[in-house]
Amino acid sequence: RKEVEQDPGPFNVPEGATVAFNCTYSNSASQSFFWYRQDCRKEPKLLMSVYSSGNEDGRFTAQLNRASQYISLLIRDSKLSDSATYLCVVNGGAGNNRKLIWGLGTSLAVNP
Amino acid sequence: NAGVMQNPRHLVRRRGQEARLRCSPMKGHSHVYWYRQLPEEGLKFMVYLQKENIIDESGMPKERFSAEFPKEGPSILRIQQVVRGDSAAYFCASSPTPPSSLHTQYFGPGTRLTVL
Repeated sequence: RKEVEQDPGPFNVPEGATVAFNCTYSNSASQSFFWYRQDCRKEPKLLMSVYSSGNEDGRFTAQLNRASQYISLLIRDSKLSDSATYLCVVNGGAGNNRKLIWGLGTSLAVNP
Repeated sequence: NAGVMQNPRHLVRRRGQEARLRCSPMKGHSHVYWYRQLPEEGLKFMVYLQKENIIDESGMPKERFSAEFPKEGPSILRIQQVVRGDSAAYFCASSPTPPSSLHTQYFGPGTRLTVL
């Protein structure tokens, strides 16, 4: 089992749609969780941290389920500019808290 | 506050040559990470350094690759005797502390290495 697993997609959605991405992680000791986005041939950029209580930033909502070791990202009212690859990132857990483990990403294409 | 800087942005080398990639972390950041991304693949951790120390090099190939982060100056990722399979985007990231919910990593624009 991969340490961080994501559905690679691609997700093709029309503008204005709501889309959800899921991510599972294998290390129950992981403490820090993030979503990054990466545009084609660019560097990853932090989208948001994911907190235990869930958190929202504008059109983006992140949820964490520690019991199921599952993280989600919800994007409402999709824009063309949301087209990118979304990377789920988890820290290495107890004893290896310094290392971030990266999913392979989920590709999103928002169409006019 | 300037972001993470990497140079060169593009580097072309012939097989057998050496490649040197430089990374200057964000001001105030003492933790540097190098990643490699092969075409159409995910981000792969290579090495984590603090000033003058290699903390975790579990992702570095055993041969030809080395990294340093001296007391003064940028972090350097060095690839000796490059082969075509080394062609990739190499990203550097920095953080002020080890990763946590409060302090994650911020990336430079990457160096795209092409080996002919």
